[in-house]
Amino acid sequence: ILNVEQSPQSLHVQEGDSTNFTCSFPSSNFYALHWYRWETAKSPEALFVMTLNGDEKKKGRISATLNTKEGYSYLYIKGSQPEDSATYLCARNTGNQFYFGTGTSLTVIP
Amino acid sequence: NAGVTQTPKFQVLKTGQSMTLQCAQDMNHEYMSWYRQDPGMGLRLIHYSVGAGITDQGEVPNGYNVSRSTTEDFPLRLLSAAPSQTSVYFCASSLQSGTGFYGYTFGSGTRLTVV
Repeated sequence: ILNVEQSPQSLHVQEGDSTNFTCSFPSSNFYALHWYRWETAKSPEALFVMTLNGDEKKKGRISATLNTKEGYSYLYIKGSQPEDSATYLCARNTGNQFYFGTGTSLTVIP
Repeated sequence: NAGVTQTPKFQVLKTGQSMTLQCAQDMNHEYMSWYRQDPGMGLRLIHYSVGAGITDQGEVPNGYNVSRSTTEDFPLRLLSAAPSQTSVYFCASSLQSGTGFYGYTFGSGTRLTVV
């Protein structure tokens, strides 16, 4: 099974709220897990690349954790701002191929 | 630093026509790839290349050809366009790390409509 699944599909939060999304993936043949941020009318931009079980990465108010044994990663946004509105994609890297989830669409309401 | 440059941005083709989507990067990335993005499907890998002269198939390669004669360029050819190839196409490149890849740099996308 190669599917990467993301939940929820979409999310609306109030400005200032903290939120989190889930990326689930098969734990076999794991090389890395990537997170991307994709704003409307732009291209996806890399947020994090995570390789080791227990990895935690942080960039400003956004952070991510990785559990390769159970096959999931969480992305957290603390104190959401309207500019955080975007689709957040995760991708599983297995050797030379990447398998993307369908993304979580976040809307932050001012 | 231009990053990944894709051309054209928009294209309309008639069924049966052929065309080439261009992709060029100036970051000396070994790895280049082509994805298509369809509603509800996520990004799906069409073809990829780990270096000049080396290409391989991804999840959805049928109807597409690629070549990698230089490190910089990775064109995608539609041999005989079909309506099912209506999609948004993204080129992406990456450096390889010891255990996999660094994050992708994506091009701006090509919106293709086949009528």
